[in-house]
Amino acid sequence: DGGITQSPKYLFRKEGQNVTLSCEQNLNHDAMYWYRQDPGQGLRLIYYSQIVNDFQKGDIAEGYSVSREKKESFPLTVTSAQKNPTAFYLCASSISPGTDTQYFGPGTRLTVL
Amino acid sequence: GQQLNQSPQSMFIQEGEDVSMNCTSSSIFNTWLWYKQDPGEGPVLLIALYKAGELTSNGRLTAQFGITRKDSFLNISASIPSDVGIYFCAGRLVQFYFGTGTSLTVIP
Repeated sequence: DGGITQSPKYLFRKEGQNVTLSCEQNLNHDAMYWYRQDPGQGLRLIYYSQIVNDFQKGDIAEGYSVSREKKESFPLTVTSAQKNPTAFYLCASSISPGTDTQYFGPGTRLTVL
Repeated sequence: GQQLNQSPQSMFIQEGEDVSMNCTSSSIFNTWLWYKQDPGEGPVLLIALYKAGELTSNGRLTAQFGITRKDSFLNISASIPSDVGIYFCAGRLVQFYFGTGTSLTVIP
């Protein structure tokens, strides 16, 4: 079964703690993306990676960090510097950076108490 | 970042009715995509459009890439209860930009 998995589905953290969200894909896609979704707003790009060991900031990268040590994995860390971290986080991938189709994982809902 | 204006924001329709929603932008895009998202889930790709003027169908869904490359619409014919969800448009120039979504409720 090919696809994108995100874990956990729900995550609760105390304010001031860093937290890492997992994203794994077995589609052999080169490019991976992290988006944040808030009620009433479109998805906003946090970070993206076109190839292993390379990543670029998106529109709202402040307070987040990523790594891309393996092709299939693109974890996102929400740091304590992120002022409003409670949101629904979506990971996506595409065959290559120039490919016009992105496929999404099921998402992780992060709640910071 | 770029803003895509998607309308209407929400729709309540009777089962069997047709639905139309659209997306507009102040910028030109090279690609338009339409996604459906169920609550608490990731968006699922419905239709991809790659050329201005292109009209593409996927079952009861039809989408068009506007001639100006600044807009796109999605039509759903003969709606059924499982069409319920939030529909998003996405436009690509270099990166993707997303609309705010149209929430569709189908009343049986």
